[in-house]
Amino acid sequence: NFLLTQPHSVSESPGKKVTISCTRSSGSIASNYVQWYQQRPGSAPTTMIFETNQRASGVPDRFSGSIDSSSNSASLTISGLKTEDEADYYCQSYDNNNRVFGGGTKLTVL
Amino acid sequence: QLQLQESSPGLVKPSETLSLICTVSGGSISSSNYWVWIRQTPGTGLEWIGSIYYSGSTNYNPSLKSRVTMSVDTSKNQFSLKVRSVSAADTAIYYCAREKWELLRFVHFDNWGHGTLVTVSS
Repeated sequence: NFLLTQPHSVSESPGKKVTISCTRSSGSIASNYVQWYQQRPGSAPTTMIFETNQRASGVPDRFSGSIDSSSNSASLTISGLKTEDEADYYCQSYDNNNRVFGGGTKLTVL
Repeated sequence: QLQLQESSPGLVKPSETLSLICTVSGGSISSSNYWVWIRQTPGTGLEWIGSIYYSGSTNYNPSLKSRVTMSVDTSKNQFSLKVRSVSAADTAIYYCAREKWELLRFVHFDNWGHGTLVTVSS
């Protein structure tokens, strides 16, 4: 099994750009797709990015996903930050028959 | 529109068995997708518990495998979760969700229930 490590929290101002990282502990980040989920308080998570860089239906193009093999990590980048983007974000991937979530990152937009 | 709804057992006593049912509506559970249970302890992150195909084939989180059983009832369009020998550490919001597959590969968890809080306490 592997772990996905995310920063506990990030913050940025409205209109700016923020990047949330997700580092895989073992095995290549490129060997399996990475998903990103947004979770607002009191709600179930919803998909923002699937298959590493595909935006889910209805997700604005301010959201983008990528991987960096040199750091064995995936990233979620949000540009033109809006206050409504404030939420928890989770990366997720899989290996063999296991599905793994990162620990989540709290994004504060202030 | 696909909808999932968890049952709500509420309170479970330590050492007993937690039982949950997820009812799927607006679509067939006998589709080419997996069905999953995911939990979230208050204030913390998400934990995949396990996935089941309509045929009954299962995959479980290795850390929970010894205490977890999932099953499916295609006639009722439901799938279920049992967690044995629970403790306070199993207190969490339990979500059921669909694990979408396309072309024989995992895509994402695309439909979620609202979640149900299960508290383990005497």
